[in-house]
Amino acid sequence: DVKVTQSSRYLVKRTGEKVFLECVQDMDHENMFWYRQDPGLGLRLIYFSYDVKMKEKGDIPEGYSVSREKKERFSLILESASTNQTSMYLCASSPLGDRYEQYFGPGTRLTVT
Amino acid sequence: GQNIDQPTEMTATEGAIVQINCTYQTSGFNGLFWYQQHAGEAPTFLSYNVLDGLEEKGRFSSFLSRSKGYSYLLLKELQMKDSASYLCAVRDRGSGTYKYIFGTGTRLKVLA
Repeated sequence: DVKVTQSSRYLVKRTGEKVFLECVQDMDHENMFWYRQDPGLGLRLIYFSYDVKMKEKGDIPEGYSVSREKKERFSLILESASTNQTSMYLCASSPLGDRYEQYFGPGTRLTVT
Repeated sequence: GQNIDQPTEMTATEGAIVQINCTYQTSGFNGLFWYQQHAGEAPTFLSYNVLDGLEEKGRFSSFLSRSKGYSYLLLKELQMKDSASYLCAVRDRGSGTYKYIFGTGTRLKVLA
């Protein structure tokens, strides 16, 4: 079974703090993704990566950065957390190829106060 | 632009059949996915369509018409555990690399 794990299920941070969200997958997938999910807005893509050290901006990259130093690990960084970044963050991975679906981690609910 | 529309909420009765529609507009269509998401949990894959027609998988079927930009997910013999949100997602190759674009999801309530 594919497993995607995220470092925390719940996280509370203060405005201005630097926040790291970690995602690890154990199936040697090339592609990894970070989304945020908000009521009424659905899943929105923040960043994705199709190879180690490669990254592409998604639809809402502002205020975020990412790091992929190893194939299995994709980190999302909030350089200076703000209250409008309070959200559910979902990581996903998929193999290369057109047919393959994404496998999602359990999510991190981040609250910025 | 890129857009995916699906109803916000639907209600159906245990044992019934329900159809959840999804319409989309993208510049580089490269496949449509349906996911199920229970409250507080991660989305899980249900089905994939890239060619026109019906894909059947047990109680769940998904249909695609590329010319109409339309898909539906059909759930038969509804069970209480089918109460969840159903997400329609399109893979798009519009700008060279591919991205997945998600709809806002349809929250399905199954009543006894």
